[in-house]
Amino acid sequence: SAVISQKPSRDICQRGTSLTIQCQVDSQVTMMFWYRQQPGQSLTLIATANQGSEATYESGFVIDKFPISRPNLTFSTLTVSNMSPEDSSIYLCSVDSGGDEQFFGPGTRLTVL
Amino acid sequence: QQQVKQSPQSLIVQKGGISIINCAYENTAFDYFPWYQQFPGKGPALLIAIRPDVSEKKEGRFTISFNKSAKQFSLHIMDSQPGDSATYFCAASMSSGTYKYIFGTGTRLKVLA
Repeated sequence: SAVISQKPSRDICQRGTSLTIQCQVDSQVTMMFWYRQQPGQSLTLIATANQGSEATYESGFVIDKFPISRPNLTFSTLTVSNMSPEDSSIYLCSVDSGGDEQFFGPGTRLTVL
Repeated sequence: QQQVKQSPQSLIVQKGGISIINCAYENTAFDYFPWYQQFPGKGPALLIAIRPDVSEKKEGRFTISFNKSAKQFSLHIMDSQPGDSATYFCAASMSSGTYKYIFGTGTRLKVLA
């Protein structure tokens, strides 16, 4: 399985600011995914990030709010823009195994005041 | 049709007992069904997964039972231990599609010592 790291592990931010979350994988992967997990809730897919193409966003998520970069096969970033307290969540990246399995990073716990 | 319904929301089991978590889906195009285990402050970890061509898969104390006609699948944890106390998520995906997962709502399991 892939080893995935995320930075930062947690942050406390002020309303109206932006935060960029980094996801690094120890091997090259085709597909990377970004999820949001609100407190005590399930995981909701924000977008799928493929290298060399625009990210594909799920219903309810837009690029202006959650811009994503995927510069190479081992790295991706998710920015949470113009944050409000409703954006307080755990943000998780995951990668595909080359098959059907997905492996998750440890998550970034974001609190917006 | 994209939903995966999971029950119960929470579960308390005595040490040594059997924990059973159920999931149901609507979309017959789903063909991969993983279970994830998540401890507080950690990302979800893949536990076990099944495809519809088998009715049961066992790995150690963890077993998935799959009922294709009923569109249901369940996780059984035999000889439950306090270390199994975590939140469990079922998921479903389509191998021929974008590989994105649809997650169930989660089950918080507590195993009493």
